[in-house]
Amino acid sequence: DTGVSQDPRHKITKRGQNVTFRCDPISEHNRLYWYRQTLGQGPEFLTYFQNEAQLEKSRLLSDRFSAERPKGSFSTLEIQRTEQGDSAMYLCASSYTGATNTEAFFGQGTRLTVV
Amino acid sequence: AQSVTQLGSHVSVSEGALVLLRCNYSSSVPPYLFWYVQYPNQGLQLLLKYTSAATLVKGINGFEAEFKKSETSFHLTKPSAHMSDAAEYFCAVSDGGTSYGKLTFGQGTILTVHP
Repeated sequence: DTGVSQDPRHKITKRGQNVTFRCDPISEHNRLYWYRQTLGQGPEFLTYFQNEAQLEKSRLLSDRFSAERPKGSFSTLEIQRTEQGDSAMYLCASSYTGATNTEAFFGQGTRLTVV
Repeated sequence: AQSVTQLGSHVSVSEGALVLLRCNYSSSVPPYLFWYVQYPNQGLQLLLKYTSAATLVKGINGFEAEFKKSETSFHLTKPSAHMSDAAEYFCAVSDGGTSYGKLTFGQGTILTVHP
């Protein structure tokens, strides 16, 4: 397994445009998490899925943000009508929760710049 | 609610010197604690984790951390710094159980290693 994969690695967009990021988790992991990291800060939790079900959303996740994991495998995070404040690194992580639990494994992130 | 405080946003050491990165946590339940390392424009890599077993935890690259419940601390140490240790380090806490992979991070500590 190659680990958690995120695409694209970098995205520059104009304010007001929509963007979509993709995350492919480690294949046997049933949980998938999205975090946002701004410059000089630690990652902040946005939302997570168990299989295809979105179980929790942070209040940081405004109405312009939507996440899906349609078949319990890859996930997408869409930001509509981007704002300059959305500029950040978006990190995806996956883990397995069941009889035993694994820690979260992170992807390399997607860096979004809104100009 | 859980929280993590990392004392010192920047730590500078000489190559070969002791590395000490401080982390204090707040949790209403027995915590699960983690240290992650992040290199520039990369995701997070797990260094070590505390999951209520031994209080002294050994991780990768010669790092270790000690869980001290009375001090609510989980400081990261390495006896002898190497140039390749220069990176940003994040302490994180989880509730464990079904929330094992959902993390609350500290602000991060940037470690600089001088020759």
